[in-house]
Amino acid sequence: QVQLQQSGPGLVKPSQTLSLTCVISGDSVSNTSAAWNWIRQSPSRGLEWLGRTYYRSKWFNDYAVSVKSRITINPDTSKNHFSLQLNSVTPEDTAVYFCARYTVTGDYYFDYWGQGTLVTVSS
Amino acid sequence: DIQMTQSPSSLSASVGDRVTITCRASQTISSYLNWYQQKPGKAPKLLIYGASSLQSGVPSRFSGSGSGTDFTLTISSLQPEDFATYYCQQSYSTLFTFGGGTKVEIK
Repeated sequence: QVQLQQSGPGLVKPSQTLSLTCVISGDSVSNTSAAWNWIRQSPSRGLEWLGRTYYRSKWFNDYAVSVKSRITINPDTSKNHFSLQLNSVTPEDTAVYFCARYTVTGDYYFDYWGQGTLVTVSS
Repeated sequence: DIQMTQSPSSLSASVGDRVTITCRASQTISSYLNWYQQKPGKAPKLLIYGASSLQSGVPSRFSGSGSGTDFTLTISSLQPEDFATYYCQQSYSTLFTFGGGTKVEIK
């Protein structure tokens, strides 16, 4: 059974960096049939896919256009986790952040999710 | 980006009712459409993938249909545990996008 456990601060000051980690159990961040994603949810923006990291003989990342200049998603194979860093945050980045997995089966759907972390951007 | 539009944004229904939620894509997405259920304070839960395939463990009262740009999620007989918000998500483009959600409330 795959489980994703998120951790990270719930309060970030404007202009600083939001950092979250998602620890994977029951699968590997290096699984060549999976991709590891960050998604956020806010009343104003709804559910918004932010980006992913995945391994296909080398590491790849893809990011949403809306955050591409500010986001980094990194895998850590030694700890079997992946992380989100979002720079230069503003109150607009206040949201519940989820990590999620999809597997490459022909269809791409998020079958496992983390528990969600409410991140508030405020001074 | 592919825009996903759900309707209605909310509905009231009674236990036992048949409920239909629609999702429209801004361009054709073949059958690359997934449905999720979300309850307050929880992560979304996958119900339907590939427009009509039922995820393992999901009750058979849930069904999905459609292809191209128009899709529906149907709950054949609404149960108390089905009161939640439902979202569609396209996976035709791997820059994934979600619909705005449909909240199913108790009448």
